Amino acid sequence: DTGVSQNPRHKITKRGQNVTFRCDPISEHNRLYWYRQTLGQGPEFLTYFQNEAQLEKSRLLSDRFSAERPKGSFSTLEIQRTEQGDSAMYLCASPGRRGNTIYFGEGSWLTVV
Amino acid sequence: AQRVTQPEKLLSVFKGAPVELKCNYSYSGSPELFWYVQYSRQRLQLLLRHISRESIKGFTADLNKGETSFHLKKPFAQEEDSAMYYCALSGRRGGGSEKLVFGKGTKLTVNP
Repeated sequence: DTGVSQNPRHKITKRGQNVTFRCDPISEHNRLYWYRQTLGQGPEFLTYFQNEAQLEKSRLLSDRFSAERPKGSFSTLEIQRTEQGDSAMYLCASPGRRGNTIYFGEGSWLTVV
Repeated sequence: AQRVTQPEKLLSVFKGAPVELKCNYSYSGSPELFWYVQYSRQRLQLLLRHISRESIKGFTADLNKGETSFHLKKPFAQEEDSAMYYCALSGRRGGGSEKLVFGKGTKLTVNP
């Protein structure tokens, strides 16, 4: 049940560039979550999907952020016009096959220079 | 408001000593409480959940609704327990698949 995969694992980008992260969740479950983690903090909820519908968005998700889950399977998180404050680990999570535990991917590290 | 507080950023003990990582929460309703652990260079993974009332790797945690606490305990710490520990809560509606609210984490170091 540790089958959440994310890519790229690391991304260094210049300020102002766009970046996109991809998450492939554990199959057979309709929920998918995105979290952000900065140094010294626990993961903070960004948004979640049930199938292809984005049901909740945190106030942390500014209008430069957009997440999609077009076919209810994999998901992408795009950050436009990146800022240095966007530097963080972006974590994807999904419930396991039994649906009673949330499993995390290894995360995508973003560094904006 | 949902909030999880882990008052200790760092905790250092010697091997064989008891360890307690503190967690307090604020939630209007009946939350489900979890402890997640992140070993060096590994992904965040579930350690235990209050609803299971289980002991994992010698760790236990009891939900105290009166004190709104969910402290993690182990009677004899081992060096391999060194890791970041995060306390988290979720609402109970989804039976565990609701979004999680995390504390800031406690870094446990077990010295030889």
